[in-house]
Amino acid sequence: EAQVTQNPRYLITVTGKKLTVTCSQNMNHEYMSWYRQDPGLGLRQIYYSMNVEVTDKGDVPEGYKVSRKEKRNFPLILESPSPNQTSLYFCASSPGLAGGPYEQYFGPGTRLTVT
Amino acid sequence: LAKTTQPISMDSYEGQEVNITCSHNNIATNDYITWYQQFPSQGPRFIIQGYKTKVTNEVASLFIPADRKSSTLSLPRVSLSDTAVYYCLVSGTYKYIFGTGTRLKVLA
Repeated sequence: EAQVTQNPRYLITVTGKKLTVTCSQNMNHEYMSWYRQDPGLGLRQIYYSMNVEVTDKGDVPEGYKVSRKEKRNFPLILESPSPNQTSLYFCASSPGLAGGPYEQYFGPGTRLTVT
Repeated sequence: LAKTTQPISMDSYEGQEVNITCSHNNIATNDYITWYQQFPSQGPRFIIQGYKTKVTNEVASLFIPADRKSSTLSLPRVSLSDTAVYYCLVSGTYKYIFGTGTRLKVLA
């Protein structure tokens, strides 16, 4: 089954404790992206990757890191989480670059709470 | 990147046609317009995409006027299960900007 998976689905952590949220897709997609969703703010793009070893900042990259060492994986790293990073996070993938007729496939989401 | 503006919320009754309009005054020549549907605690799901004029698939229609500064998502004969948030998205080069979406509530 074609899908985007995220782990963990739920995470409660404390301020300053480094964490990684994994994202994997089995569709051989080139483009992958991370979003956060907060009440009243919709979805905001954190980082995106056009292909292996090619990443760039979205609208809200502060406090996050990403890497793309393999085509299928795009982990999101919070080196020192803070309470304002409490949010619902979504990973997405797309067969092509933005601006073309390609839909994004979203993962199930990771609900992160930082205390 | 083109910013989108949509109504915050809409109510409709089962069986009615629902039209949600999105404004994107600064759309670029190469941008496509895409609509997504999102249920609570789930990731958004693709509904329809278009560049100009009209596009129709099995679940919706998308109307885009010649100037492309707006678009209208049309959902025919909605049911209770269409209650969700609908996002209009204008695709940039590599970045995506989602608006705050339109919360559609379908009433029995």
